[in-house]
Amino acid sequence: QQPVQSPQAVILREGEDAVINCSSSKALYSVHWYRQKHGEAPIFLMILLKGGEQKGHDKISASFNEKKQQSSLYLTASQLSYSGTYFCGFRDPYDKVIFGPGTSLSVIP
Amino acid sequence: EAQVTQNPRYLITVTGKKLTVTCSQNMNHEYMSWYRQDPGLGLRQIYYSMNVEVTDKGDVPEGYKVSRKEKRNFPLILESPSPNQTSLYFCASSPHPGATSTDTQYFGPGTRLTVL
Repeated sequence: QQPVQSPQAVILREGEDAVINCSSSKALYSVHWYRQKHGEAPIFLMILLKGGEQKGHDKISASFNEKKQQSSLYLTASQLSYSGTYFCGFRDPYDKVIFGPGTSLSVIP
Repeated sequence: EAQVTQNPRYLITVTGKKLTVTCSQNMNHEYMSWYRQDPGLGLRQIYYSMNVEVTDKGDVPEGYKVSRKEKRNFPLILESPSPNQTSLYFCASSPHPGATSTDTQYFGPGTRLTVL
């Protein structure tokens, strides 16, 4: 079952913040976040393993609520370079990796 | 340079003509995987392999075959391609399998396949 991502698309002005949510109907062991620019391969952002874990990297951070089977990606003070499609994914106990449908993020000047 | 390579990058073929998309990684990774990407559906896993001679079905394996005879290579085979297999395909690898692994996946550049 594919995770659900929201919103599907978002447009921001430079400097604004955004939150992308990912929820799963299956138990999550780990959550992965990737960003993909148009015409390019997905690039790893971060992996969260434990429930409640929060990670940050530059002005992009994420949280993982294992009980609610949800993860959120936070983009703070967005830059033009943040534009792209963001995917959450999780690895199930059998090592299958299941990605969400993606959230398109556009940052405009 | 550490990388995942795929060939060809672009392919136009006709229904029923067998084809192979090659994937190779030079990082000695154990885990390799194939995905297809379609608009609105994100990345869907076709097959994955946790090590040499070990392959498993992902979410959308129908119409595809894979093999893992060597650690570095993981070719994707379409025995009889059909138009609904027109898609963007990515190969990926990561150091170790395991649901609790912190290993990221490294993606190849993608292969755009059109089946007429």
